Amino acid sequence: DAGVIQSPRHEVTEMGQEVTLRCKPISGHDYLFWYRQTMMRGLELLIYFNNNVPIDDSGMPEDRFSAKMPNASFSTLKIQPSEPRDSAVYFCASSSSGGAHSEQFFGPGTRLTVL
Amino acid sequence: DAKTTQPTSMDCAEGRAANLPCNHSTISGNEYVYWYRQIHSQGPQYIIHGLKNNETNEMASLIITEDRKSSTLILPHATLRDTAVYYCIVRPVNAGNMLTFGGGTRLMVKP
Repeated sequence: DAGVIQSPRHEVTEMGQEVTLRCKPISGHDYLFWYRQTMMRGLELLIYFNNNVPIDDSGMPEDRFSAKMPNASFSTLKIQPSEPRDSAVYFCASSSSGGAHSEQFFGPGTRLTVL
Repeated sequence: DAKTTQPTSMDCAEGRAANLPCNHSTISGNEYVYWYRQIHSQGPQYIIHGLKNNETNEMASLIITEDRKSSTLILPHATLRDTAVYYCIVRPVNAGNMLTFGGGTRLMVKP
């Protein structure tokens, strides 16, 4: 398996533009997580899905952020409109069910810069 | 979730054992201790986890004290490639696979 795939790897955009980040989880995994990492706040969980259903979105910073998982092999994180403070590395991770013994596999991340 | 406390940074000589401590004094009986690491510019990587027994795998060993209030991750023969930020995370069994990352320990392995 190729692991968790994220695209694009780098994104530079201007304030006010819409940004869409994409993630393909590992085949067979039924949990998908979106994280954001900044120097100031570290690694934060934004939202996670189980069987394509959002379970906890309490980490989503505000209404400008939205995430979808239309099927088991694809998820998007959208920011509209983007702001400079959204600049961060966004990671997607997936895991299988298994309670305490399931590990999360992280993708390489998308480095977002909003000018 | 129980909170963890780790030193901000540590150094280790190449080839020596790296011992990374973690305090989790408020851990409860149904919470596991997980360790992940993040090498620069990469996503975090799972290392090991345990409940109350010591655990060992091909990457590391995890030593959990009898009262479970602290643990130590041991990299037996550190290499330069082990330079990374190491995160100790306490996670309930029924947390829906959620992980809450703290600040971690920045381990620098030096030649």
